[in-house]
Amino acid sequence: QVQLQESGPGLVKPSETLSLTCAVSGYSISSGYYWGWIRQPPGKGLEWIGSIYHSGSTYYNPSLKSRVTISVDTSKNQFSLKLSSVTAADTAVYYCARVQKRYGLYYFDYWGQGTLVTVSS
Amino acid sequence: QLVLTQSPSASASLGASVKLTCTLSSGHSSYAIAWHQQQPEKGPRYLMKLNSDGSHSKGDGIPDRFSGSSSGAERYLTISSLQSEDEADYYCQTWGTGIHVFGTGTKVTVL
Repeated sequence: QVQLQESGPGLVKPSETLSLTCAVSGYSISSGYYWGWIRQPPGKGLEWIGSIYHSGSTYYNPSLKSRVTISVDTSKNQFSLKLSSVTAADTAVYYCARVQKRYGLYYFDYWGQGTLVTVSS
Repeated sequence: QLVLTQSPSASASLGASVKLTCTLSSGHSSYAIAWHQQQPEKGPRYLMKLNSDGSHSKGDGIPDRFSGSSSGAERYLTISSLQSEDEADYYCQTWGTGIHVFGTGTKVTVL
């Protein structure tokens, strides 16, 4: 059973960089698949942030691309998110997930439980 | 532009059925989607992938009460024999030209 667990600071100051890590168990990242980050502001819907392949190839949401960096560490079986120059609008629960591909559709088939990140001074 | 439209809310009585709709934007009626469930205070859970012809494949452990169907640009999720634990937000999701798109979600209330 694939399991994902997010970790990182729960509080980040405005203008600083948000950093989160997703630890994967039950599956080796180096075996394949894309892996993604999604966020959900309090009381709102889901927003995809970006995804990374085990080789390091990435693709990002154009609305966040200038501030986002996603990286992978196959030796630790984890991948990470950095979001720079954060504001209160970046306050959200951040989820990591595995990206499955079948018959032309990429979709998220395993999700982490999420971690709340608050941007405040 | 690829957009998924969902009604904000739906409700039905315990033991009844409810049918949720996800509508694909113009020009994207052949796209497949995925349905996800988010129970209160929990992370999302993948329910199923739903193709334009109505065929679908469910995630691990998803009960038979959950089924999918399609008609034109509309993708449906039907929950039969509603249980209290089905009270949740339901999101549809698709992918196009390198971007993942989510619908705005439908909140299901079990009466």
